[in-house]
This record gives sequence, structure tokens and C-alpha cells, in this order.
Amino acid sequence: GAVVSQHPSRVICKSGTSVKIECRSLDFQATTMFWYRQFPKQSLMLMATSNEGSKATYEQGVEKDKFLINHASLTLSTLTVTSAHPEDSSFYICSASVGEGLYGYTFGSGTRLTVV
Amino acid sequence: AQSVTQLGSHVSVSEGALVLLRCNYSSSVPPYLFWYVQYPNQGLQLLLKYTSAATLVKGINGFEAEFKKSETSFHLTKPSAHMSDAAEYFCAVSDRGGAQKLVFGQGTRLTINP
Repeated sequence: GAVVSQHPSRVICKSGTSVKIECRSLDFQATTMFWYRQFPKQSLMLMATSNEGSKATYEQGVEKDKFLINHASLTLSTLTVTSAHPEDSSFYICSASVGEGLYGYTFGSGTRLTVV
Repeated sequence: AQSVTQLGSHVSVSEGALVLLRCNYSSSVPPYLFWYVQYPNQGLQLLLKYTSAATLVKGINGFEAEFKKSETSFHLTKPSAHMSDAAEYFCAVSDRGGAQKLVFGQGTRLTINP
């Protein structure tokens, strides 16, 4: 089945630094990928939708200059948290649509970001 | 706008008992509906999906869900709970046509008592 690989699984960084999270579709081409943020014991909040070769569409309230999304190829999307602060600590999950959503959406294993 | 409501943030059942996790959706047109399971510190795994074929959908690990348009519901059931079913469950909805974003419910934590 469709597999999405997300790296790193855990990262600890210092305040003020930037962190890049990668999301790769291993056995299919993902025209559209989604980035979610999940706080402890809460649901997933969509941050942005990324389409290959074009600018990402951000949800209301998400700072596009802080959360940079790049989707340069059909198999790779990246999320860069710039100038990270402790409040950016969270669980970030990427997802890709399979068959334009008809066959579901496959998720990466998530990245636990801790900013100290 | 699409929305999903999961009744009960926490459900506890005994091992071997029926599992019932409730999900109601709000949509102006029949949507796609999904149930996902999440284990601690992991991504989401698809249990099953409804995309307008049979209204009773069978998924993995013995789970199934029934789409009821008149009740705008898509409840998840499993006849006999297993200890390994303990996890967080999310109901999600998306529009049809193309790669639409998923809107998630609040999640239901399922606990299995021995």
C-alpha cells in the first residue's frame, strides 16, 4: 500500500534555530500533501495544504513565514519551522492523498518537536 | 463547512465486549468519511473509509462502520474488543472530488479493561 515516510521522528532544538521535517511518498506520487499539528490529547489541526510545484495554502491563523512548506517534487514535501520557540513544541504529521482522496489519505509517523 | 462530532472523548469497555464509537458529520452533500486509529507517538492508520459504495464498510482488525445518511452518522463498531484495540480513534470527513483536506473530529480514547 501507499507509504509516507516522515523524518525525523524526534527532534530537540534550541530556541531561535530552524528545524526541517521531511515527508516522502515512497511508492506513489503525491500531488497534494497536508501538514497537521497535534497538541497533547487533542485532535489534528490542519496547518497547510501543499501542491507540487506551487505555493502552499495555509489555514487561517497559521504563520506562513514561520512554517515554510516546500513541495518541489511529487515525492517530497518539507516543513521548516523557522526561529523556533518553545510554544512551537508539538507533534507534526504529514499526510498525502492517494488516488485524489478516493482511496484515502496516508499519514507519516509524525515528528515530535521539542524546543528548549 | 464540513464538521465532525465524536460523542465521548473517552470510552471504556471490557475485553470481549462490543466497541461502539460514535461519529456524526455535518455536510451539505454526501462526503467521504474515514476512521483512523492512532497509537501513542505515532501517525494515523486508516481503519476504513466510506466513498459511496456499500453503506456498511468493513475495515481492518475486525472494525466496521455504517453510513446512515438520515442520521448523518458513521459510527464505528467491533463485536469483541481486544486489548490491542486500546488507542485514540479519529473520525474524519472530506469533500468529494480531488484531494480535499480532511476535517477531524475531536478523537475518542478507547480503553480496554481486562
